[in-house]
Amino acid sequence: DQQVKQNSPSLSVQEGRISILNCDYTNSMFDYFLWYKKYPAEGPTFLISISSIKDKNEDGRFTVFLNKSAKHLSLHIVPSQPGDSAVYFCAALTGNQFYFGTGTSLTVIP
Amino acid sequence: GAVVSQHPSRVICKSGTSVKIECRSLDFQATTMFWYRQFPKQSLMLMATSNEGSKATYEQGVEKDKFLINHASLTLSTLTVTSAHPEDSSFYICSARDHNRGYEKLFFGSGTQLSVL
Repeated sequence: DQQVKQNSPSLSVQEGRISILNCDYTNSMFDYFLWYKKYPAEGPTFLISISSIKDKNEDGRFTVFLNKSAKHLSLHIVPSQPGDSAVYFCAALTGNQFYFGTGTSLTVIP
Repeated sequence: GAVVSQHPSRVICKSGTSVKIECRSLDFQATTMFWYRQFPKQSLMLMATSNEGSKATYEQGVEKDKFLINHASLTLSTLTVTSAHPEDSSFYICSARDHNRGYEKLFFGSGTQLSVL
């Protein structure tokens, strides 16, 4: 049972515009959410996170929004750059267990 | 810089052979490491949790006799794919949590692409 879902397998955005990646979850016990970025044949790298007690966290061009009532998480990248092209995984944490979404492949077109 | 080192990055082997993958935490001690497997265009699937000094905890459906995990020290965990077959071909990734950097942060190795002929 997939507890964390990313329904868009791919997304293409023009350079300079905003990229919005979405993530939905089902388990209300998740208390921490994270986004990871992954290039081909490499391990994921941590990007940004948010605690369940917050609804927004910002770090430079990256902002994560959390809507607990809707069990929805989103990552905004603005402005998007070609180097942002990668697969983005959202993850949710409860206790010692991480649950990952299936990933969204972002392509930023120059 | 990388805080979790995984080797080898790529391995090609014949069917029936065993392959060992190493995962090291470089500048922190990891009492727990995690092993994931990723199929193309799919999510990271947790295979097992490696516990230093004790037996690994395997996820449902993962054969513990096939995927041997050893966590002999606080900085090293190994995954051995025994008697590998073509269906074992996949991308394997290890990770470790550094509690000193914030409990939520999970650092990943660079992954190992296993191809079994």
